[in-house]
Amino acid sequence: EAGVAQSPRYKIIEKRQSVAFWCNPISGHATLYWYQQILGQGPKLLIQFQNNGVVDDSQLPKDRFSAERLKGVDSTLKIQPAKLEDSAVYLCASSPRQGTTQYFGPGTRLLVL
Amino acid sequence: GIQVEQSPPDLILQEGANSTLRCNFSDSVNNLQWFHQNPWGQLINLFYIPSGTKQNGRLSATTVATERYSLLYISSSQTTDSGVYFCAIIGTSGTYKYIFGTGTRLKVLA
Repeated sequence: EAGVAQSPRYKIIEKRQSVAFWCNPISGHATLYWYQQILGQGPKLLIQFQNNGVVDDSQLPKDRFSAERLKGVDSTLKIQPAKLEDSAVYLCASSPRQGTTQYFGPGTRLLVL
Repeated sequence: GIQVEQSPPDLILQEGANSTLRCNFSDSVNNLQWFHQNPWGQLINLFYIPSGTKQNGRLSATTVATERYSLLYISSSQTTDSGVYFCAIIGTSGTYKYIFGTGTRLKVLA
C-alpha cells in the first residue's frame, strides 16, 4: 500500500513570495491533515479535511495561508505572501476516518529568506 | 485547552539499555498515538493506544486513561531508536483534532 506522498521535499523562497505544497493521501482515506512543525517543537495542526470539507482550520493563519482538497483526494496548501517565521516543515497526514490512526508523509521543508 | 506534556525532554542511553517515556494529559481523551520521528524527519506510527497495553517487538505501550497518562517502553535500545518520540491525543470535546505533546529526544550511543 502506497504511503502519503508530498512534494516538493524542499523549498527555499524569499519573504513575500508565494509557495504551494501538494499532498496525496493513502487511497481511501477520508481525513486529511496539514501540520506545521517548527524546529524543536511538536507538529501543530493547521487544517483538517473530512473528504472535501473543512473540519477544523482554527489555527490556520487565514490572511496568508489557504488550503483546498478538491474531489476529496489530494490537497494543496498555499502561503502567500510568505514570512520569515513560516520557515518550518509542513507535514501532511491522512487517516481512514476522523479520530483513527494517522499516517504521515515525509514532509516539505520550507526555508524563507 | 487540553495540555500534553512528555518527560523526560531529553534522554541519552547506551545501546542495550531500557527506557520509559511518559506522556501526561490534562483531560479525558478518546484517542492516543505514539510516534517516532527519525533523524530525517519522518513521523512513524508506533502505537494507537487510547487504553490498555500493546506490544510490538522491543517496544510496548500502556495507557491508563483514568489517571491521564501513557507510557512507552523501549527495551534493549539500538542506535536506530534515536530520534524524537511524540504522543498525540484527541480529547473528548467533540472535535477530532490531534494535539501533540512536547516530545522526548532520545539518543542511543553505540
